[in-house]
Amino acid sequence: KNEVEQSPQNLTAQEGEFITINCSYSVGISALHWLQQHPGGGIVSLFMLSSGKKKHGRLIATINIQEKHSSLHITASHPRDSAVYICAVPHYGGSQGNLIFGKGTKLSVKP
Amino acid sequence: NAGVTQTPKFRVLKTGQSMTLLCAQDMNHEYMYWYRQDPGMGLRLIHYSVGEGTTAKGEVPDGYNVSRLKKQNFLLGLESAAPSQTSVYFCASSYYTGNTIYFGEGSWLTVV
Repeated sequence: KNEVEQSPQNLTAQEGEFITINCSYSVGISALHWLQQHPGGGIVSLFMLSSGKKKHGRLIATINIQEKHSSLHITASHPRDSAVYICAVPHYGGSQGNLIFGKGTKLSVKP
Repeated sequence: NAGVTQTPKFRVLKTGQSMTLLCAQDMNHEYMYWYRQDPGMGLRLIHYSVGEGTTAKGEVPDGYNVSRLKKQNFLLGLESAAPSQTSVYFCASSYYTGNTIYFGEGSWLTVV
C-alpha cells in the first residue's frame, strides 16, 4: 500500500512570495492528484499529472516518477491562496484504483 | 451545472440515532465515493461504488452502509450513530479511477 507524506504541514508566507509544497509517496504511481481545500471546507481538484510539469495560472505542479516525489509551486502568492493543499495517489500504485490522501499542507498568505 | 451535491450540510445526532447522507452527481460519473475527514488525518475512504447497483468497502467501513440504486445517487447511512462518527463527510465522483475527482462541499456531522 502506498504511503503519502507532505511537507511542510504548515506554511506562512508574505504576499508575493514563491511557495513550494512537497509530496512524497512510497509505491510507484503514474497519476498524482493535487487538491485545494478552502477554509470553508470545499475541495477542488487542481491538477492530475503523470509526468513532467503542468501549469495553471500561478500554480505549477511537477512530478518525478523515479524519485516518487511531486511539488506544487505557487508564484506571486496572494492571500486568496490561503488554503489546505492535499496530494493524493493511487493506494496500490499505478494509475488506477482508490486514492490515498496526504494530511495536507495548511498555507496562510499574509498581506 | 451542480456537480456533486451533498445533503444535509450540517446535522447533530444523538448517540444511537440513525441518519442518511445523500450525494447526487449530474456528470454521469461511474465512480462515487464517501470519505470522512478528521483533524490531523487525511481523507479516508468509507465506501465506494464503481457503478449503479454496486458498492464496496473502503478503509473505514464499520458502522456505515451505502446504497447506489441510481447512477447519480450514492447514499451513506449510519444505523446507530456513535460519537466516534463525529466528522466531516465528503462525497466525490469520477468518471473512472485515474480521472479527475470532483468533491461535494461536505457534511458536518456531530454525534452527542
